[in-house]
Amino acid sequence: QQPVQSPQAVILREGEDAVINCSSSKALYSVHWYRQKHGEAPVFLMILLKGGEQKGHEKISASFNEKKQQSSLYLTASQLSYSGTYFCGTYNQGGKLIFGQGTELSVKP
Amino acid sequence: SAVISQKPSRDICQRGTSLTIQCQVDSQVTMMFWYRQQPGQSLTLIATANQGSEATYESGFVIDKFPISRPNLTFSTLTVSNMSPEDSSIYLCSGSGGIGNTIYFGEGSWLTVV
Repeated sequence: QQPVQSPQAVILREGEDAVINCSSSKALYSVHWYRQKHGEAPVFLMILLKGGEQKGHEKISASFNEKKQQSSLYLTASQLSYSGTYFCGTYNQGGKLIFGQGTELSVKP
Repeated sequence: SAVISQKPSRDICQRGTSLTIQCQVDSQVTMMFWYRQQPGQSLTLIATANQGSEATYESGFVIDKFPISRPNLTFSTLTVSNMSPEDSSIYLCSGSGGIGNTIYFGEGSWLTVV
């Protein structure tokens, strides 16, 4: 079952913060986050393995709440380079990584 | 992170023809997968490439349309057969390994069918 991301799109000014959510109707054991810039392949950002665990990458961090079956990606003091589409991925029961529909983030000067 | 390279990076193909995409991964990769990303869409898994045996296809994808080979641990090919404009997509080779079976992607093959 495909994880659900929200919002679908976000427009920010440089320096502003944003949160992207990823939720699943199935139990989650890990959540993977990727960023895809226009015209490029997706790039792995981070993986969250334990409930409540937070990871960081640059000024991007994430949390994972097993009980709520959701993860959130936090982008702090956004930079122009953060623009792109963010995907979360979760493993399904068949052991395949399935991706959410994506959240398009645009950071304006 | 794993190093994954694929080619061609881009191609414009005629309707009805076939194109083979090649993918090379480094030794950190244990499993290989092929994904498709249609314009403006998310990533959809086509199949798992199995070494020395037939690939495992996801619902909606068939071997006749997307034959896949993986003759050894670090190399795989995906062929898009009898192409139509609906096949215009990015095709991504990927490999998993390491903590949590993280998946890494190649640079992608941007195919346009005219």
